[in-house]
Amino acid sequence: GAVVSQHPSRVICKSGTSVKIECRSLDFQATTMFWYRQFPKQSLMLMATSNEGSKATYEQGVEKDKFLINHASLTLSTLTVTSAHPEDSSFYICSAASANYGYTFGSGTRLTVV
Amino acid sequence: AQSVTQPDIHITVSEGASLELRCNYSYGATPYLFWYVQSPGQGLQLLLKYFSGDTLVQGIKGFEAEFKRSQSSFNLRKPSVHWSDAAEYFCAVGAMGSGNTGKLIFGQGTTLQVKP
Repeated sequence: GAVVSQHPSRVICKSGTSVKIECRSLDFQATTMFWYRQFPKQSLMLMATSNEGSKATYEQGVEKDKFLINHASLTLSTLTVTSAHPEDSSFYICSAASANYGYTFGSGTRLTVV
Repeated sequence: AQSVTQPDIHITVSEGASLELRCNYSYGATPYLFWYVQSPGQGLQLLLKYFSGDTLVQGIKGFEAEFKRSQSSFNLRKPSVHWSDAAEYFCAVGAMGSGNTGKLIFGQGTTLQVKP
């Protein structure tokens, strides 16, 4: 079956630094990748949608300059949280979509900004 | 606008008892509907999905869901719950015309607790 590898699973960074989260589809090509943010005990909030080679489409209220998304290939998308602050601490999940496998989710990244 | 409502934030059932998790959606056309399960600190696992055809959908781990257009519902059921079913459950609706690749909108989630 389809597998999406998301790294790192946990990261702690200092306030003001940047953090990159990688989402890779291992055995299929993803038409589209989605990035979600999840607060404790809450649902997934879609942050942005990215297609390979195109600029990401951000949801209303999501700062595109803060959450940089790169989708360089059909198997790799990255989310960079720039100048992170404690309020950016959250659980980030990616999802890779393909016609053959539907939506496949990564295992998530727990970001803690101290 | 698309939306998904899961009326029950938290449900507790005894092991072996039946389970029904509710999901209501708001959508302008036939939706693509999904149920996912999430264990703490983990990603999401697909339980089942509905695109078209038979309105009773079978999924993994003994789960099933029924699409009822008249009620705008897609409730998840399981005849006998196991302790390992304790987790967070999310209902989601896909964007119109998207098939497998449009964005998903998630409900608020239902936390399932299973009593021994």
